[in-house]
Amino acid sequence: AQKITQTQPGMFVQEKEAVTLDCTYDTSDPSYGLFWYKQPSSGEMIFLIYQGSYDQQNATEGRYSLNFQKARKSANLVISASQLGDSAMYFCAMREGQLGFNKFYFGSGTKLNVKP
Amino acid sequence: EPEVTQTPSHQVTQMGQEVILRCVPISNHLYFYWYRQILGQKVEFLVSFYNNEISEKSEIFDDQFSVERPDGSNFTLKIRSTKLEDSAMYFCASSGGLPTDTQYFGPGTRLTVL
Repeated sequence: AQKITQTQPGMFVQEKEAVTLDCTYDTSDPSYGLFWYKQPSSGEMIFLIYQGSYDQQNATEGRYSLNFQKARKSANLVISASQLGDSAMYFCAMREGQLGFNKFYFGSGTKLNVKP
Repeated sequence: EPEVTQTPSHQVTQMGQEVILRCVPISNHLYFYWYRQILGQKVEFLVSFYNNEISEKSEIFDDQFSVERPDGSNFTLKIRSTKLEDSAMYFCASSGGLPTDTQYFGPGTRLTVL
Protein backbone atom coordinates (compact mmCIF):
# COMPACT_ATOMS: atom_id res chain seq x y z
CA ALA A 1 0.00 0.00 0.00
CA GLN A 2 1.11 3.52 -0.70
CA LYS A 3 2.27 5.42 2.36
CA ILE A 4 1.28 8.78 0.86
CA THR A 5 -1.44 9.31 -1.72
CA GLN A 6 -2.03 12.50 -3.63
CA THR A 7 -5.01 11.98 -5.92
CA GLN A 8 -4.87 15.27 -7.82
CA PRO A 9 -2.22 15.14 -10.53
CA GLY A 10 -3.04 18.70 -11.58
CA MET A 11 -5.13 21.58 -10.39
CA PHE A 12 -6.02 25.07 -11.55
CA VAL A 13 -6.90 27.99 -9.31
CA GLN A 14 -7.68 31.60 -10.01
CA GLU A 15 -5.25 34.14 -8.62
CA LYS A 16 -6.30 35.41 -5.16
CA GLU A 17 -8.53 32.41 -4.51
CA ALA A 18 -7.86 29.66 -1.98
CA VAL A 19 -6.99 26.12 -3.04
CA THR A 20 -6.81 22.81 -1.20
CA LEU A 21 -4.34 20.10 -2.20
CA ASP A 22 -5.26 16.66 -0.94
CA CYS A 23 -3.02 14.20 0.85
CA THR A 24 -3.88 10.97 2.60
CA TYR A 25 -1.43 8.80 4.44
CA ASP A 26 -1.19 5.25 5.69
CA THR A 27 0.64 4.26 8.82
CA SER A 28 0.03 2.15 11.89
CA ASP A 29 2.62 4.04 13.90
CA PRO A 30 0.99 6.44 16.38
CA SER A 31 3.92 8.82 16.06
CA TYR A 32 4.60 10.45 12.72
CA GLY A 33 5.21 13.77 11.02
CA LEU A 34 3.63 15.18 7.91
CA PHE A 35 5.34 17.67 5.64
CA TRP A 36 4.57 19.64 2.52
CA TYR A 37 7.17 20.74 0.00
CA LYS A 38 6.93 22.99 -3.03
CA GLN A 39 8.93 22.20 -6.15
CA PRO A 40 9.05 25.03 -8.71
CA SER A 41 10.05 24.37 -12.28
CA SER A 42 13.66 25.08 -11.32
CA GLY A 43 13.61 21.80 -9.39
CA GLU A 44 14.52 22.61 -5.81
CA MET A 45 12.44 21.29 -2.92
CA ILE A 46 11.19 24.04 -0.63
CA PHE A 47 9.83 23.14 2.80
CA LEU A 48 6.44 24.70 3.49
CA ILE A 49 4.81 23.31 6.61
CA TYR A 50 4.97 20.55 9.22
CA GLN A 51 2.31 18.79 11.30
CA GLY A 52 3.10 16.33 14.07
CA SER A 53 0.74 13.46 14.81
CA TYR A 54 0.27 14.62 18.39
CA ASP A 55 -0.28 18.26 17.54
CA GLN A 56 -3.69 19.39 18.72
CA GLN A 57 -3.94 22.33 16.38
CA ASN A 58 -3.61 22.56 12.64
CA ALA A 59 -0.30 23.99 11.52
CA THR A 60 -0.16 27.36 9.82
CA GLU A 61 2.69 29.20 8.11
CA GLY A 62 1.68 32.46 6.51
CA ARG A 63 -0.66 31.69 3.60
CA TYR A 64 -0.21 27.95 4.12
CA SER A 65 -2.26 25.90 6.51
CA LEU A 66 -2.58 22.20 7.00
CA ASN A 67 -6.04 20.70 7.46
CA PHE A 68 -5.13 17.71 9.63
CA GLN A 69 -7.89 15.13 10.07
CA LYS A 70 -6.31 12.32 12.01
CA ALA A 71 -9.25 9.92 11.95
CA ARG A 72 -9.43 10.23 8.17
CA LYS A 73 -5.64 10.10 7.86
CA SER A 74 -5.63 13.19 5.75
CA ALA A 75 -3.30 16.19 5.75
CA ASN A 76 -4.53 18.59 3.13
CA LEU A 77 -2.59 21.73 2.30
CA VAL A 78 -4.61 24.92 2.02
CA ILE A 79 -3.09 27.88 0.20
CA SER A 80 -5.00 31.09 0.74
CA ALA A 81 -4.97 34.04 -1.64
CA SER A 82 -3.11 32.20 -4.42
CA GLN A 83 -0.36 34.05 -6.23
CA LEU A 84 1.14 33.43 -9.65
CA GLY A 85 4.36 32.37 -7.93
CA ASP A 86 2.51 29.51 -6.27
CA SER A 87 2.45 27.66 -9.59
CA ALA A 88 4.57 24.58 -8.90
CA MET A 89 4.51 20.91 -7.97
CA TYR A 90 3.51 20.24 -4.38
CA PHE A 91 4.58 17.11 -2.54
CA CYS A 92 3.19 15.68 0.66
CA ALA A 93 5.62 13.62 2.74
CA MET A 94 5.51 11.54 5.90
CA ARG A 95 8.07 10.45 8.42
CA GLU A 96 7.03 7.47 10.54
CA GLY A 97 8.02 6.90 14.12
CA GLN A 98 9.46 9.01 16.88
CA LEU A 99 12.95 9.07 15.48
CA GLY A 100 13.54 12.42 13.91
CA PHE A 101 16.02 11.05 11.44
CA ASN A 102 13.76 8.47 9.82
CA LYS A 103 13.35 8.62 6.07
CA PHE A 104 10.56 10.46 4.32
CA TYR A 105 7.94 8.87 2.13
CA PHE A 106 6.71 11.15 -0.64
CA GLY A 107 3.50 11.27 -2.61
CA SER A 108 3.39 11.56 -6.37
CA GLY A 109 2.69 15.28 -6.23
CA THR A 110 0.09 17.76 -7.43
CA LYS A 111 0.89 20.29 -10.12
CA LEU A 112 -0.78 23.57 -9.27
CA ASN A 113 -1.36 26.20 -11.92
CA VAL A 114 -2.46 29.66 -10.79
CA LYS A 115 -4.33 31.57 -13.48
CA PRO A 116 -4.18 35.36 -13.67
CA GLU B 1 19.60 31.53 6.36
CA PRO B 2 21.61 28.28 6.28
CA GLU B 3 21.03 26.07 3.28
CA VAL B 4 22.10 22.80 1.77
CA THR B 5 24.25 23.20 -1.32
CA GLN B 6 24.97 20.69 -4.06
CA THR B 7 27.47 20.50 -6.89
CA PRO B 8 27.36 20.18 -9.79
CA SER B 9 23.89 21.36 -10.72
CA HIS B 10 23.98 19.21 -13.84
CA GLN B 11 26.20 16.27 -14.68
CA VAL B 12 26.30 14.47 -18.00
CA THR B 13 28.16 11.18 -18.15
CA GLN B 14 28.57 8.14 -20.34
CA MET B 15 27.09 4.83 -19.28
CA GLY B 16 29.59 2.83 -17.24
CA GLN B 17 31.41 5.88 -15.90
CA GLU B 18 31.74 6.76 -12.25
CA VAL B 19 30.18 9.94 -10.92
CA ILE B 20 30.48 11.68 -7.58
CA LEU B 21 27.76 14.04 -6.48
CA ARG B 22 28.68 16.48 -3.77
CA CYS B 23 26.67 18.09 -1.01
CA VAL B 24 27.38 20.47 1.83
CA PRO B 25 24.71 19.98 4.50
CA ILE B 26 23.65 22.63 6.97
CA SER B 27 26.54 22.99 9.36
CA ASN B 28 24.92 21.99 12.68
CA HIS B 29 22.90 19.13 11.24
CA LEU B 30 23.78 15.57 12.14
CA TYR B 31 21.72 13.49 9.74
CA PHE B 32 22.22 13.38 6.01
CA TYR B 33 20.22 11.85 3.22
CA TRP B 34 20.18 11.21 -0.48
CA TYR B 35 16.96 11.00 -2.44
CA ARG B 36 16.39 10.74 -6.15
CA GLN B 37 13.58 11.81 -8.44
CA ILE B 38 13.27 10.29 -11.87
CA LEU B 39 11.72 12.83 -14.23
CA GLY B 40 7.99 13.18 -13.61
CA GLN B 41 7.97 10.73 -10.70
CA LYS B 42 7.92 10.93 -6.95
CA VAL B 43 10.92 11.56 -4.76
CA GLU B 44 12.44 8.27 -3.54
CA PHE B 45 14.65 7.65 -0.53
CA LEU B 46 18.10 6.23 -1.21
CA VAL B 47 20.12 6.37 2.00
CA SER B 48 20.49 8.05 5.37
CA PHE B 49 23.78 8.65 7.12
CA TYR B 50 24.69 9.46 10.71
CA ASN B 51 27.89 9.38 12.70
CA ASN B 52 29.92 8.31 9.69
CA GLU B 53 27.87 5.31 8.83
CA ILE B 54 24.76 4.38 6.91
CA SER B 55 21.65 4.38 9.08
CA GLU B 56 19.27 3.02 6.50
CA LYS B 57 19.25 2.33 2.79
CA SER B 58 16.58 1.47 0.27
CA GLU B 59 16.58 -1.39 -2.20
CA ILE B 60 17.59 1.12 -4.86
CA PHE B 61 20.87 1.71 -3.03
CA ASP B 62 22.71 -1.33 -4.31
CA ASP B 63 26.43 -2.09 -4.49
CA GLN B 64 27.06 0.46 -7.19
CA PHE B 65 26.18 3.27 -4.78
CA SER B 66 28.26 4.50 -1.88
CA VAL B 67 28.24 7.51 0.41
CA GLU B 68 30.98 9.21 2.29
CA ARG B 69 31.63 12.16 4.52
CA PRO B 70 35.27 12.77 3.63
CA ASP B 71 35.68 15.81 5.84
CA GLY B 72 33.66 17.87 8.29
CA SER B 73 31.53 19.55 5.69
CA ASN B 74 31.05 17.50 2.53
CA PHE B 75 28.74 14.55 1.98
CA THR B 76 29.12 12.64 -1.28
CA LEU B 77 27.19 10.08 -3.28
CA LYS B 78 29.23 7.92 -5.65
CA ILE B 79 27.77 5.85 -8.42
CA ARG B 80 30.45 3.44 -9.56
CA SER B 81 29.23 2.38 -12.98
CA THR B 82 26.34 4.47 -14.17
CA LYS B 83 23.40 3.01 -16.04
CA LEU B 84 20.85 4.74 -18.24
CA GLU B 85 18.23 4.28 -15.53
CA ASP B 86 20.35 6.25 -13.07
CA SER B 87 19.35 9.42 -14.93
CA ALA B 88 17.45 11.45 -12.37
CA MET B 89 17.56 14.45 -10.09
CA TYR B 90 19.51 13.62 -6.96
CA PHE B 91 18.69 15.55 -3.82
CA CYS B 92 20.80 15.79 -0.72
CA ALA B 93 19.02 16.65 2.52
CA SER B 94 20.04 17.25 6.09
CA SER B 95 18.26 17.33 9.42
CA GLY B 96 18.94 18.06 13.07
CA GLY B 97 17.30 14.77 13.94
CA LEU B 98 14.67 15.96 16.39
CA PRO B 99 11.14 14.62 15.86
CA THR B 100 9.89 18.08 14.92
CA ASP B 101 12.77 18.75 12.55
CA THR B 102 12.21 18.82 8.86
CA GLN B 103 14.69 17.68 6.28
CA TYR B 104 16.10 20.57 4.31
CA PHE B 105 16.81 19.77 0.72
CA GLY B 106 19.52 21.04 -1.55
CA PRO B 107 18.77 22.33 -5.03
CA GLY B 108 19.55 18.95 -6.59
CA THR B 109 21.97 17.58 -9.16
CA ARG B 110 20.46 16.56 -12.45
CA LEU B 111 22.34 13.48 -13.65
CA THR B 112 22.05 12.51 -17.29
CA VAL B 113 23.52 9.18 -18.36
CA LEU B 114 24.03 8.76 -22.09
